[in-house]
Amino acid sequence: DGGITQSPKYLFRKEGQNVTLSCEQNLNHDAMYWYRQDPGQGLRLIYYSQIVNDFQKGDIAEGYSVSREKKESFPLTVTSAQKNPTAFYLCASSIDETYEQYFGPGTRLTVT
Amino acid sequence: AQSVTQLDSQVPVFEEAPVELRCNYSSSVSVYLFWYVQYPNQGLQLLLKYLSGSTLVESINGFEAEFNKSQTSFHLRKPSVHISDTAEYFCAVSDLGLNYGGSQGNLIFGKGTKLSVKP
Repeated sequence: DGGITQSPKYLFRKEGQNVTLSCEQNLNHDAMYWYRQDPGQGLRLIYYSQIVNDFQKGDIAEGYSVSREKKESFPLTVTSAQKNPTAFYLCASSIDETYEQYFGPGTRLTVT
Repeated sequence: AQSVTQLDSQVPVFEEAPVELRCNYSSSVSVYLFWYVQYPNQGLQLLLKYLSGSTLVESINGFEAEFNKSQTSFHLRKPSVHISDTAEYFCAVSDLGLNYGGSQGNLIFGKGTKLSVKP
């Protein structure tokens, strides 16, 4: 079955540690996205990539970094510079900029 | 910049009652419109979409939405809800005129409406 996988489902880290969230898709989609979801705030775009080896900052990129070395993979690193990293993180992909996005199951990150 | 407003953050309703979840977006020449549903601790699933053609679009589980260009709205409706419809619903807009070289991605999401269906 084609789809998007995110791992792990739940992630716990101590403050000051960097952590990398995995996102893999086998839909052969060019574009991939990372969103952060907080209660009552909807989805906020962190980074997006329209093609391999290229990515753009979204609305809240500070404290995050990404890479896009392969079409299938778009990992997100939450760095220690991110002041409020505890959130639900969603990865998505789409065929191109004008089609619907397909979402992974999400990773809930808790930093204490 | 494009924006999406979901006027109600929470909508409580009794089972078998009708429901309307409202969505308005800022003006644009051409848009694609989407409704997504999210169950607790899960990702978003596409419920329905408007790309072109008929302004009334339907989902397989009884929801429908109507694209109204003059009112820049895309409200979601269901004539009779079930307990299983309890979830959070997000409206999203893809602005075909958006400058992709800017800081935004291609879908702009509303803040969501939590639908709670009570027995």
